[in-house]
Amino acid sequence: GEDVEQSLFLSVREGDSSVINCTYTDSSSTYLYWYKQEPGAGLQLLTYIFSNMDMKQDQRLTVLLNKKDKHLSLRIADTQTGDSAIYFCAERPGNTPLVFGKGTRLSVIA
Amino acid sequence: DSGVTQTPKHLITATGQRVTLRCSPRSGDLSVYWYQQSLDQGLQFLIQYYNGEERAKGNILERFSAQQFPDLHSELNLSSLELGDSALYFCASSPLSGETQYFGPGTRLLVL
Repeated sequence: GEDVEQSLFLSVREGDSSVINCTYTDSSSTYLYWYKQEPGAGLQLLTYIFSNMDMKQDQRLTVLLNKKDKHLSLRIADTQTGDSAIYFCAERPGNTPLVFGKGTRLSVIA
Repeated sequence: DSGVTQTPKHLITATGQRVTLRCSPRSGDLSVYWYQQSLDQGLQFLIQYYNGEERAKGNILERFSAQQFPDLHSELNLSSLELGDSALYFCASSPLSGETQYFGPGTRLLVL
């Protein structure tokens, strides 16, 4: 079945790196995604990775994919207070709609 | 700004009523998806339309229905509303390749 698991909370100090982890179950997932949701707002697509890649970097964001363990992580370098939000991991098994995790609430302490 | 628009932003109604939520996809996107976000269930996929045709169905209740019009905007109709239908309803659109989905700001529905 499809299930995406994430820890619910993460707290980091401003300037440190944040690492948000996610596990998924469907090995047929072709793309994996990270979305950000700020309070009262919609979901903003941060980045996504194709399943044949193991890393993708985009400015302060680094996505690592371990396909063998079905593990996805999002690293945010030099975390700022503006990064405080809920981060959702999502998988796309085959050509189907996205399956989301419950989200990780990132709190950045100044 | 993702380019996906949703109206209204907020909706307050009573149990038993019917409401219509509207979504306009990004220019050129043919696919529209509807999701429900609630505290206990998280983000749940409801239904997908592609160029006017229903493409996929998720956890959508029989009291709910949707359609996509020739101009590609979509409407989600929720009827016989219950307290438990209170949630954020998101619309997303994707380009032909379907790789990415871009979300609208959502409609917050409160059923009293």
